[in-house]
Amino acid sequence: DGGITQSPKYLFRKEGQNVTLSCEQNLNHDAMYWYRQDPGQGLRLIYYSQIVNDFQKGDIAEGYSVSREKKESFPLTVTSAQKNPTAFYLCASSGGAGYQPQHFGDGTRLSIL
Amino acid sequence: AQKVTQAQTEISVVEKEDVTLDCVYETRDTTYYLFWYKQPPSGELVFLIRRNSFDEQNEISGRYSWNFQKSTSSFNFTITASQVVDSAVYFCALTSTWESGGSNYKLTFGKGTLLTVNP
Repeated sequence: DGGITQSPKYLFRKEGQNVTLSCEQNLNHDAMYWYRQDPGQGLRLIYYSQIVNDFQKGDIAEGYSVSREKKESFPLTVTSAQKNPTAFYLCASSGGAGYQPQHFGDGTRLSIL
Repeated sequence: AQKVTQAQTEISVVEKEDVTLDCVYETRDTTYYLFWYKQPPSGELVFLIRRNSFDEQNEISGRYSWNFQKSTSSFNFTITASQVVDSAVYFCALTSTWESGGSNYKLTFGKGTLLTVNP
């Protein structure tokens, strides 16, 4: 079935550690996104990529990094510079123009040990 | 900057009641798109509807209906005869051409409304 796969579902990070969240899609979508969700805050855009080898910062990119080497993959690294990384992270993709509906994965919940 | 306000943080109803979720948006652009998404307890967001700024026609899909009014910058969502399976967080979202740098890729979400439907 076509969709977006995020892994792992739960992730724990030690202080000072970088961690990478995986996002893979088989929908043949050009655009991919990473969002952060905190309780009562809705979703906030971290990074997005309209095409392979290109990506743009969203509203809260500090402390995060991404790469887009393949159309189907858009991994997110939470660096040690992100001082408050505990949150629910959602990956999404969309086809064609940016106003197309976004399709979401099941999310990764990141916690600090 | 574009903004979406969902003033209702939580709503609780009894099954079969009708419920309306409010969404008010702000944008300086004349071309924009509005969305509603549902987030069940599993966490994945599910797309419900998209409406562009040039189409003020209301839409009905089964028990769901949407009322788009540009005059009041609102895009409200009504569930008729609610069911327990409707329990979820519902998000309204907006993207506008100019405020997204011409690409419409930057989607701004409201903070969501938690709907609980009790049996």
